[in-house]
Amino acid sequence: DAGVIQSPRHEVTEMGQEVTLRCKPISGHDYLFWYRQTMMRGLELLIYFNNNVPIDDSGMPEDRFSAKMPNASFSTLKIQPSEPRDSAVYFCASKDSKRDQDTQYFGPGTRLTVL
Amino acid sequence: GIQVEQSPPDLILQEGANSTLRCNFSDSVNNLQWFHQNPWGQLINLFYIPSGTKQNGRLSATTVATERYSLLYISSSQTTDSGVYFCAVGYNDMRFGAGTRLTVKP
Repeated sequence: DAGVIQSPRHEVTEMGQEVTLRCKPISGHDYLFWYRQTMMRGLELLIYFNNNVPIDDSGMPEDRFSAKMPNASFSTLKIQPSEPRDSAVYFCASKDSKRDQDTQYFGPGTRLTVL
Repeated sequence: GIQVEQSPPDLILQEGANSTLRCNFSDSVNNLQWFHQNPWGQLINLFYIPSGTKQNGRLSATTVATERYSLLYISSSQTTDSGVYFCAVGYNDMRFGAGTRLTVKP
């Protein structure tokens, strides 16, 4: 089975532009997570979904960030407007809560640079 | 929230050496995972180990939940082991440590 798929892998944009990151979780997984990785703050959870429903968005830094999961196989993380401090690697992860081992599987990440 | 501390922050080894990485956490946990982030940035699951000991080839891990720590052992290290090792604790709201950056020299 394919792993978690993220697109684009790299994104360079200018301050003020809208950015949309995309994620396809592993088929059959019922949880989806968005993380951000920066040198200053490390890996931090932004939001997670269960069965397409947002459960905890307390990690979303500002109203400029929004995430959706319209169906079980697709999620987006949108930043509007983007700022240079949003530059980071954004990871999507998924897991199957029905399995005994509570393991999250990560996608390859999207490296975002906001100029 | 729960605090996760990893040590050492950096480790440099010669190929073939053994190492122990440590993860301390501030509260009881029901989930602990070890990850390896390779030089290309990919996060790879190593172990799901809320308690007990597991082994996978040259790697093994032990979690002593009552004493709030976990150890990752790497034996006979290889250059491909280089990267950053993270432990993460928590159920859905997983908290990551700052990582141990391992460099294995040939």
